[in-house]
This record gives sequence, C-alpha cells and structure tokens, in this order.
Amino acid sequence: ELKVEQNPLFLSMQEGKNYTIYCNYSTTSDRLYWYRQDPGKSLESLFVLLSNGAVKQEGRLMASLDTKARLSTLHITAAVHDLSATYFCAVVPSGTYKYIFGTGTRLKVLA
Amino acid sequence: DTEVTQTPKHLVMGMTNKKSLKCEQHMGHRAMYWYKQKAKKPPELMFVYSYEKLSINESVPSRFSPECPNSSLLNLHLHALQPEDSALYLCASSQGPGEAYEQYFGPGTRLTVT
Repeated sequence: ELKVEQNPLFLSMQEGKNYTIYCNYSTTSDRLYWYRQDPGKSLESLFVLLSNGAVKQEGRLMASLDTKARLSTLHITAAVHDLSATYFCAVVPSGTYKYIFGTGTRLKVLA
Repeated sequence: DTEVTQTPKHLVMGMTNKKSLKCEQHMGHRAMYWYKQKAKKPPELMFVYSYEKLSINESVPSRFSPECPNSSLLNLHLHALQPEDSALYLCASSQGPGEAYEQYFGPGTRLTVT
C-alpha cells in the first residue's frame, strides 16, 4: 500500500528557531511537491522537486529531495508567525498521474 | 493568468437536492482534477480528466458525477448526497497529465449536506 507520511504531524515552535519537516514515501517517484494551506483556504504550491538531489529555497523555507531514501525535507529557518499553516508534501508514483498527499504537518509559530 | 476559479464558494444542500460545482481554468492545461478534503485531513483524489477524457476515478460513489464539457471547464454534479459528503471540494489543473507537472488549485467549494 502506498504511504506518504509526514512528521511531525504537529509542530509548535518559537519565532526565530529552526526546524525540519520530513516527508517519507513508499513508492518509486522522482517528483515531489510541497504545498501550504492556511485554515479554510486552498493549497498554495511552494516547491516542485523534479530529481534526486534537488534543492530549492524561497525565503525562510528550503526543500530537498532524496529519491534513493524516498525522503524529502522542508527546512524552516528563523521561523516567523506568518509561516503558521499546514504543510503538505505530495508524491506522484512513477508512470501515473495520481498525486498522493502526505498526512500534513500543522505548524504554529509562537511570537 | 495562473488562476483556477471555482463556483460557488459555499453550498448548502439537502440530501434530495441536485447541484453542480464548477471549475474553470484558462491556462491551456490539459489535465484537471477533483479532490475532496475533510477537515484536518489531506486532499483525496476523486477524478482526473486528461485531454477532456476521464482517466482516473478513485472508486467514487455514483452520487458524484464529473463532466468535462471542454478543455477549460470541469463540473461535478451532485445528487442524493449524504451528510458525510460535507467537505471542501478542490479543483486543480496541470499542464498535462503525469508526474512532471505542477498542479494549480482553485479556492475550493465548501459543501454542507443537511
């Protein structure tokens, strides 16, 4: 059974701190996507990782992909309150076009 | 224009009603998707249309009926829904089918079945 698991599921952190969210998946894929969702809102695309070793950065967020380990990370640097949201990773198994979402990580940044 | 629009934003319907959700994109994308999202859960794929043809149906009950009248429009027809069908329904599109393409999501329709 295909699994896309994120940890932690919940994360409460102080402003200014660093932390990493992990996304593990159980299928063959070299494409991984990160999304942000604010409460009651739709999904906003953050990063598209299209190959092993891909690293992308935008502001305080940096995402990476290790297809051999079937692992992606979303690193948060010097968190600010505005980053509070739910973060999802999504995997598309090779040869399909089914986007399978991870369990989500609810991030709360405390001022 | 990188926008996917959905109407209505909110919908309340009884279990005997028939209603439709509408999704539109003008990015020339050839793949369109319907997702269902319950509170505090990840989106769950329902249907995928590729080049206006239904290519994936994730064993969705027949009370949900998708339709793709043209390459820019995607509808979801609803009939005889149950209260557990209450959720946020998200439409998305991508340049093509396949894992290489980024999905763009619409704002969603929040559905309440009474």
